[in-house]
Amino acid sequence: EVQVLESGGGLVQPGGSLRLSCAASGFTFSNYAMNWVRQAPGKGLEWVSVISGSGVSTFYADSVKGRFTISRDSSKNTLYLQMNSLRAEDTAIYYCAKRGGPSAYYFDYWGQGTLVTVSS
Amino acid sequence: EIVMTQSPATLSVSPGERATLSCRASQSVSSNLAWYQQKPGQAPRLLIYGASTRATGIPARFSGSGSGTEFTLTISRLQSEDFAVYYCQQYNNWPPMYTFGQGTKLEI
Repeated sequence: EVQVLESGGGLVQPGGSLRLSCAASGFTFSNYAMNWVRQAPGKGLEWVSVISGSGVSTFYADSVKGRFTISRDSSKNTLYLQMNSLRAEDTAIYYCAKRGGPSAYYFDYWGQGTLVTVSS
Repeated sequence: EIVMTQSPATLSVSPGERATLSCRASQSVSSNLAWYQQKPGQAPRLLIYGASTRATGIPARFSGSGSGTEFTLTISRLQSEDFAVYYCQQYNNWPPMYTFGQGTKLEI
């Protein structure tokens, strides 16, 4: 059974940093690109970042480019999101989402999310 | 950036009825369109990909259609568990900039 489980959320002050983790199981982790998607309270979904299965290629939404870094450790089957220079508008539930396949860019499995609150 | 616009924002229907949700892209996304369902306090769930292919385990009452810029999600014979928020998402562009619609809330 495919499972992805996020952790690392919490309360952080503006300008601060936080690292999110996503533990994956039930599939060959290194074969699939992985994404982070966020949802501000009461709002819609916003794609944040994607990393290829090999970890070589990464892409970011303009809203986080230069502040967030996505990475992965295939030996631990874990995805990460390093978030720096956090702003109030980064407050959201952050979801880890598995891509459907090599040429399947939709997201077929999602974690339950971890809440990040940026506030003084 | 490709902008996805969903309509209506809220759709009020009764159990047993049919619901039709629309999604429009600001430029062609071919058939690279997915639909997700999200219930309160839960993560989104993939319903449809490739504009019209049901994901694993999704009931046949859910169907998707369209290509290019106009897409539709149809739910026939609504059941109580179908009342949720539905999002469309395009995954057509490169480099990736996967954009979602703002969502349609399906309510009783």
